[in-house]
Amino acid sequence: DTEVTQTPKHLVMGMTNKKSLKCEQHMGHRAMYWYKQKAKKPPELMFVYSYEKLSINESVPSRFSPECPNSSLLNLHLHALQPEDSALYLCASSLRQLGGELFFGEGSRLTVL
Amino acid sequence: AQSVTQPDIHITVSEGASLELRCNYSYGATPYLFWYVQSPGQGLQLLLKYFSGDTLVQGIKGFEAEFKRSQSSFNLRKPSVHWSDAAEYFCAVGTMNRDDKIIFGKGTRLHILP
Repeated sequence: DTEVTQTPKHLVMGMTNKKSLKCEQHMGHRAMYWYKQKAKKPPELMFVYSYEKLSINESVPSRFSPECPNSSLLNLHLHALQPEDSALYLCASSLRQLGGELFFGEGSRLTVL
Repeated sequence: AQSVTQPDIHITVSEGASLELRCNYSYGATPYLFWYVQSPGQGLQLLLKYFSGDTLVQGIKGFEAEFKRSQSSFNLRKPSVHWSDAAEYFCAVGTMNRDDKIIFGKGTRLHILP
Protein backbone atom coordinates (compact mmCIF):
# COMPACT_ATOMS: atom_id res chain seq x y z
CA ASP A 1 0.00 0.00 0.00
CA THR A 2 1.71 3.19 -1.18
CA GLU A 3 -1.17 5.58 -0.77
CA VAL A 4 -1.95 8.60 1.31
CA THR A 5 -5.72 8.91 1.61
CA GLN A 6 -7.42 12.21 2.34
CA THR A 7 -11.06 12.85 3.22
CA PRO A 8 -13.18 14.63 2.31
CA LYS A 9 -12.17 15.47 -1.26
CA HIS A 10 -14.32 18.61 -1.20
CA LEU A 11 -15.54 20.68 1.73
CA VAL A 12 -17.62 23.84 1.83
CA MET A 13 -17.97 25.57 5.16
CA GLY A 14 -19.14 28.84 6.61
CA MET A 15 -16.93 31.06 8.69
CA THR A 16 -18.56 29.92 11.94
CA ASN A 17 -18.39 26.18 11.22
CA LYS A 18 -16.08 23.61 12.74
CA LYS A 19 -14.88 20.88 10.44
CA SER A 20 -11.94 18.48 10.13
CA LEU A 21 -9.75 17.17 7.35
CA LYS A 22 -8.43 13.64 7.70
CA CYS A 23 -5.36 11.91 6.33
CA GLU A 24 -4.29 8.29 6.59
CA GLN A 25 -1.24 6.32 5.46
CA HIS A 26 -0.24 2.70 6.03
CA MET A 27 3.31 2.80 4.69
CA GLY A 28 4.93 2.85 8.12
CA HIS A 29 6.03 6.44 7.62
CA ARG A 30 6.86 8.32 10.81
CA ALA A 31 6.64 11.88 9.45
CA MET A 32 3.41 13.47 8.28
CA TYR A 33 2.78 16.91 6.85
CA TRP A 34 0.03 19.40 6.08
CA TYR A 35 0.50 21.72 3.10
CA LYS A 36 -1.72 24.50 1.80
CA GLN A 37 -1.79 25.19 -1.92
CA LYS A 38 -3.44 28.16 -3.58
CA ALA A 39 -4.16 28.16 -7.31
CA LYS A 40 -1.08 28.37 -9.54
CA LYS A 41 1.24 28.35 -6.51
CA PRO A 42 3.55 25.74 -5.00
CA PRO A 43 2.54 23.94 -1.82
CA GLU A 44 3.26 25.86 1.40
CA LEU A 45 4.21 23.89 4.46
CA MET A 46 1.91 24.32 7.47
CA PHE A 47 2.79 21.60 9.98
CA VAL A 48 5.13 18.63 10.36
CA TYR A 49 4.64 15.74 12.76
CA SER A 50 7.56 13.44 13.48
CA TYR A 51 6.90 10.30 15.52
CA GLU A 52 3.48 11.72 16.41
CA LYS A 53 4.94 14.88 17.90
CA LEU A 54 4.56 18.32 16.36
CA SER A 55 7.95 19.16 14.91
CA ILE A 56 7.35 22.23 12.76
CA ASN A 57 4.58 24.84 12.89
CA GLU A 58 5.08 27.42 10.18
CA SER A 59 3.38 30.20 12.19
CA VAL A 60 -0.03 29.01 11.08
CA PRO A 61 -3.05 30.86 12.58
CA SER A 62 -4.68 29.11 15.52
CA ARG A 63 -7.90 28.60 13.57
CA PHE A 64 -6.00 25.64 12.07
CA SER A 65 -5.35 22.95 14.69
CA PRO A 66 -3.43 19.79 13.74
CA GLU A 67 -3.68 16.49 15.54
CA CYS A 68 -1.79 13.23 15.12
CA PRO A 69 -3.69 10.52 17.03
CA ASN A 70 -1.29 7.77 15.94
CA SER A 71 1.45 7.10 13.43
CA SER A 72 -1.02 6.44 10.60
CA LEU A 73 -3.46 9.29 11.08
CA LEU A 74 -3.26 13.05 10.77
CA ASN A 75 -6.13 15.46 11.24
CA LEU A 76 -6.51 19.17 10.60
CA HIS A 77 -9.25 20.79 12.65
CA LEU A 78 -10.76 23.93 11.17
CA HIS A 79 -12.63 26.62 13.09
CA ALA A 80 -13.67 30.18 12.30
CA LEU A 81 -11.92 30.18 8.95
CA GLN A 82 -11.78 33.12 6.57
CA PRO A 83 -12.60 33.13 2.84
CA GLU A 84 -8.88 33.54 2.09
CA ASP A 85 -8.31 30.14 3.67
CA SER A 86 -10.00 28.55 0.67
CA ALA A 87 -7.38 26.34 -0.95
CA LEU A 88 -6.31 22.79 -1.68
CA TYR A 89 -5.01 21.17 1.52
CA LEU A 90 -2.49 18.45 0.89
CA CYS A 91 -1.36 15.79 3.30
CA ALA A 92 1.99 14.08 2.79
CA SER A 93 4.10 11.51 4.56
CA SER A 94 7.72 10.43 4.47
CA LEU A 95 9.69 7.63 6.04
CA ARG A 96 11.37 10.09 8.39
CA GLN A 97 11.68 13.85 8.66
CA LEU A 98 15.13 13.94 7.08
CA GLY A 99 14.71 15.17 3.53
CA GLY A 100 13.33 11.90 2.19
CA GLU A 101 10.76 12.00 -0.55
CA LEU A 102 7.22 13.04 0.26
CA PHE A 103 4.22 10.95 -0.71
CA PHE A 104 1.17 13.15 -1.25
CA GLY A 105 -2.53 12.53 -0.99
CA GLU A 106 -4.97 13.84 -3.60
CA GLY A 107 -5.88 16.76 -1.39
CA SER A 108 -9.01 18.24 0.16
CA ARG A 109 -10.47 21.19 -1.72
CA LEU A 110 -11.76 23.64 0.89
CA THR A 111 -14.11 26.52 0.13
CA VAL A 112 -14.93 28.98 2.92
CA LEU A 113 -18.04 31.07 2.35
CA ALA B 1 18.95 27.22 4.25
CA GLN B 2 18.35 25.93 0.78
CA SER B 3 16.43 27.54 -2.09
CA VAL B 4 15.24 26.47 -5.53
CA THR B 5 14.45 28.37 -8.72
CA GLN B 6 12.47 27.31 -11.74
CA PRO B 7 13.13 30.04 -14.32
CA ASP B 8 10.29 29.13 -16.69
CA ILE B 9 6.69 29.74 -15.60
CA HIS B 10 5.23 28.26 -18.80
CA ILE B 11 6.70 25.94 -21.43
CA THR B 12 4.91 24.90 -24.63
CA VAL B 13 6.11 22.00 -26.75
CA SER B 14 4.59 19.98 -29.55
CA GLU B 15 3.56 16.41 -28.95
CA GLY B 16 6.46 14.13 -29.80
CA ALA B 17 9.07 16.83 -29.25
CA SER B 18 11.75 16.68 -26.61
CA LEU B 19 11.41 18.52 -23.30
CA GLU B 20 13.76 20.10 -20.80
CA LEU B 21 12.53 21.86 -17.66
CA ARG B 22 15.10 23.86 -15.75
CA CYS B 23 15.76 23.83 -12.02
CA ASN B 24 18.53 25.59 -10.10
CA TYR B 25 19.17 25.21 -6.40
CA SER B 26 21.22 26.93 -3.75
CA TYR B 27 22.70 24.94 -0.87
CA GLY B 28 26.16 24.66 0.64
CA ALA B 29 26.34 20.88 0.62
CA THR B 30 24.86 18.18 -1.59
CA PRO B 31 21.10 18.46 -1.36
CA TYR B 32 18.35 15.98 -1.93
CA LEU B 33 16.58 16.89 -5.19
CA PHE B 34 13.13 15.95 -6.44
CA TRP B 35 10.82 16.50 -9.36
CA TYR B 36 7.07 16.27 -8.77
CA VAL B 37 4.20 16.50 -11.25
CA GLN B 38 0.71 17.77 -10.48
CA SER B 39 -2.32 17.45 -12.74
CA PRO B 40 -5.16 19.96 -12.16
CA GLY B 41 -6.99 19.37 -8.89
CA GLN B 42 -4.72 16.47 -7.97
CA GLY B 43 -1.98 15.83 -5.46
CA LEU B 44 1.73 15.81 -6.30
CA GLN B 45 3.31 12.68 -7.73
CA LEU B 46 7.03 12.01 -7.41
CA LEU B 47 8.70 11.64 -10.81
CA LEU B 48 12.25 11.06 -9.62
CA LYS B 49 14.75 11.89 -6.91
CA TYR B 50 18.47 12.38 -6.41
CA PHE B 51 20.16 11.62 -3.11
CA SER B 52 23.68 10.61 -4.14
CA GLY B 53 25.59 8.46 -6.62
CA ASP B 54 24.89 8.41 -10.34
CA THR B 55 24.11 11.97 -11.43
CA LEU B 56 21.72 10.84 -14.18
CA VAL B 57 18.51 9.71 -12.56
CA GLN B 58 15.74 7.77 -14.25
CA GLY B 59 12.17 8.27 -13.17
CA ILE B 60 8.66 7.21 -14.01
CA LYS B 61 6.77 8.02 -17.23
CA GLY B 62 10.00 8.17 -19.27
CA PHE B 63 11.46 11.17 -17.43
CA GLU B 64 15.09 11.60 -16.44
CA ALA B 65 17.07 14.33 -14.69
CA GLU B 66 20.74 15.15 -14.40
CA PHE B 67 22.39 16.58 -11.30
CA LYS B 68 25.15 19.02 -12.22
CA ARG B 69 26.97 20.22 -9.14
CA SER B 70 29.07 22.77 -11.06
CA GLN B 71 25.92 24.46 -12.36
CA SER B 72 23.76 23.86 -9.25
CA SER B 73 21.16 22.43 -11.59
CA PHE B 74 18.80 19.47 -11.73
CA ASN B 75 17.03 19.74 -15.09
CA LEU B 76 14.22 17.39 -16.06
CA ARG B 77 14.16 15.86 -19.54
CA LYS B 78 11.97 13.67 -21.67
CA PRO B 79 12.87 12.65 -25.24
CA SER B 80 9.30 12.66 -26.58
CA VAL B 81 6.35 14.21 -24.79
CA HIS B 82 2.79 12.93 -24.87
CA TRP B 83 -0.39 15.00 -24.54
CA SER B 84 -0.91 13.44 -21.10
CA ASP B 85 2.31 15.10 -19.87
CA ALA B 86 0.53 18.47 -19.76
CA ALA B 87 0.66 19.42 -16.07
CA GLU B 88 2.47 21.52 -13.47
CA TYR B 89 6.00 20.42 -12.64
CA PHE B 90 7.68 21.28 -9.36
CA CYS B 91 11.35 20.96 -8.54
CA ALA B 92 12.07 20.57 -4.83
CA VAL B 93 15.17 20.52 -2.63
CA GLY B 94 15.70 18.97 0.79
CA THR B 95 18.65 18.52 3.12
CA MET B 96 19.97 16.16 5.79
CA ASN B 97 19.20 18.67 8.52
CA ARG B 98 16.28 17.44 10.61
CA ASP B 99 14.69 20.84 11.02
CA ASP B 100 14.99 21.77 7.35
CA LYS B 101 11.94 21.38 5.20
CA ILE B 102 11.61 20.42 1.58
CA ILE B 103 11.43 23.63 -0.45
CA PHE B 104 9.41 23.72 -3.67
CA GLY B 105 10.10 25.87 -6.69
CA LYS B 106 7.30 28.01 -8.07
CA GLY B 107 6.53 25.43 -10.71
CA THR B 108 6.55 25.23 -14.51
CA ARG B 109 3.29 24.76 -16.37
CA LEU B 110 3.78 22.48 -19.38
CA HIS B 111 1.46 22.90 -22.35
CA ILE B 112 1.41 20.36 -25.18
CA LEU B 113 0.47 21.30 -28.75
CA PRO B 114 -1.22 18.56 -30.79
